[in-house]
Amino acid sequence: DIQMTQSPSSLSASVGDRVTITCRASQSISSYLNWYQQKPGKAPKLLMYVASSLQSGVPSRFSGSGSGTDFTLTISSLQPEDFATYYCQQSYSTIPYTFGQGTKLEIK
Amino acid sequence: EVQLLESGGGLVQPGGSLRLSCAASGFTFSSYAMSWVRQSPGKGLEWVSGISGSDNSRSYAESVKGRFTISRDNSKNTLYLQMNSLRAEDTAVYYCAKEDSNWYYFDYWGQGTLVTVSS
Repeated sequence: DIQMTQSPSSLSASVGDRVTITCRASQSISSYLNWYQQKPGKAPKLLMYVASSLQSGVPSRFSGSGSGTDFTLTISSLQPEDFATYYCQQSYSTIPYTFGQGTKLEIK
Repeated sequence: EVQLLESGGGLVQPGGSLRLSCAASGFTFSSYAMSWVRQSPGKGLEWVSGISGSDNSRSYAESVKGRFTISRDNSKNTLYLQMNSLRAEDTAVYYCAKEDSNWYYFDYWGQGTLVTVSS
C-alpha cells in the first residue's frame, strides 16, 4: 500500500495568515494527489484534485502543488471558515486508495 | 445537483450484520464508480470498498475483505454495503462517495451513516 504522511498533524494560525500543509507519498504517485476539507460533523469536501486543480466553487485562496512524492496545499490568507481538518489522498493506486492522517487547522 | 444519501446505520452486536444503502441522484449513476469510505470516532479517513459503474469490478480493503460485500443496483441508482461478522473496530461513520472517471478522486460525498458495533 502507498503510505501518505501529512505534516504538521496540527497547526494554529490566525485569520489572514498564509498556511502550508505538506503531504508525502511513500512512492511516486505522479500527480494523483487530492485534498479534502472536513469540518466537525460533516462529510469531507473536495478542494483540489490532480495536485493543483481547484474544484469548482472552492475559493482561489486555496492552491496546490507538487508531483512524484511531495505535495503542498497552501491557503494564501486564512478566513474564519477555513478552520477545519485537511486530508490528502492518493488515487494512483486504487486498491487501496489511501489518505493522510489529517492536519487539524485551529485558530490561534 | 448531485446528492448521495446513506441509510442503514445503527447499533449492532459483535458478529452481527448490517446493510448500508446509498441513494444517488443528479448524475448518471451507472456511468461512475462508487466507493465506501469510513471514519472511526476521532480518527482519519479509511477507504473500505469500491465498485465500477457497470459492476464488473469490485475491490476491498484488507481489513474488510471476506466480511463486507459491495454491490449496486443501477436501475434503482443505489449503492449497497453488506457488512457481516462485524467487529468493534468497524465502528465508524460510513460515507458513500462518487469517483471521478479519469483521476479517481472523490468529488461528491454523502452525509454519512453511523455504525456502532457494541454489546
